[in-house]
Amino acid sequence: DSGVTQTPKHLITATGQRVTLRCSPRSGDLSVYWYQQSLDQGLQFLIHYYNGEERAKGNILERFSAQQFPDLHSELNLSSLELGDSALYFCASSAEYRGSGYTFGSGTRLTVV
Amino acid sequence: QQPVQSPQAVILREGEDAVINCSSSKALYSVHWYRQKHGEAPVFLMILLKGGEQKGHEKISASFNEKKQQSSLYLTASQLSYSGTYFCGTESLYSGAGSYQLTFGKGTKLSVIP
Repeated sequence: DSGVTQTPKHLITATGQRVTLRCSPRSGDLSVYWYQQSLDQGLQFLIHYYNGEERAKGNILERFSAQQFPDLHSELNLSSLELGDSALYFCASSAEYRGSGYTFGSGTRLTVV
Repeated sequence: QQPVQSPQAVILREGEDAVINCSSSKALYSVHWYRQKHGEAPVFLMILLKGGEQKGHEKISASFNEKKQQSSLYLTASQLSYSGTYFCGTESLYSGAGSYQLTFGKGTKLSVIP
């Protein structure tokens, strides 16, 4: 157990639907990152939150949004889902100390049918 | 921009050595290395924060040439447990916002066979 908790582990939904992925960072970590992993694209950075504020945005589609709540958990909302959104979505957290690297959760596997 | 890793895949026999390279076209603040086993989350191996810094973890070490914007991961006397996909992540400043963005390469699949 890495200390980063993601739910649900698996999600199957239909095209056009909306889903919410949840992430609880490791205790004490203020930063939360979201990554999308598909077979051909590797790990794609989506967004970074630090203590409730958006800090950096990557290749995140307009149909996707995220937020970090006062208790530091984060949610990634995916709407108007398309087949191509099927992927593994990872959340990671990091400590203030730069040398600690990122700790990843076990991921949510999203399948859009 | 995504860093470029090479090779894309490598097969080793137990006890052999390997080098995985990572290069970026952007100015780098740091380089991270992670290993991901099939169906699992990436696991942090090490971070190199300064140019020329070398770090080691048992028989896995890495170097970072800030001038060339390159890093290399060295695996010596490989073990079966080293099998997995290795990702480098390059950290660069995000749009002057005072925060950094970690961008991963496409990975190098390492297979260690008996």
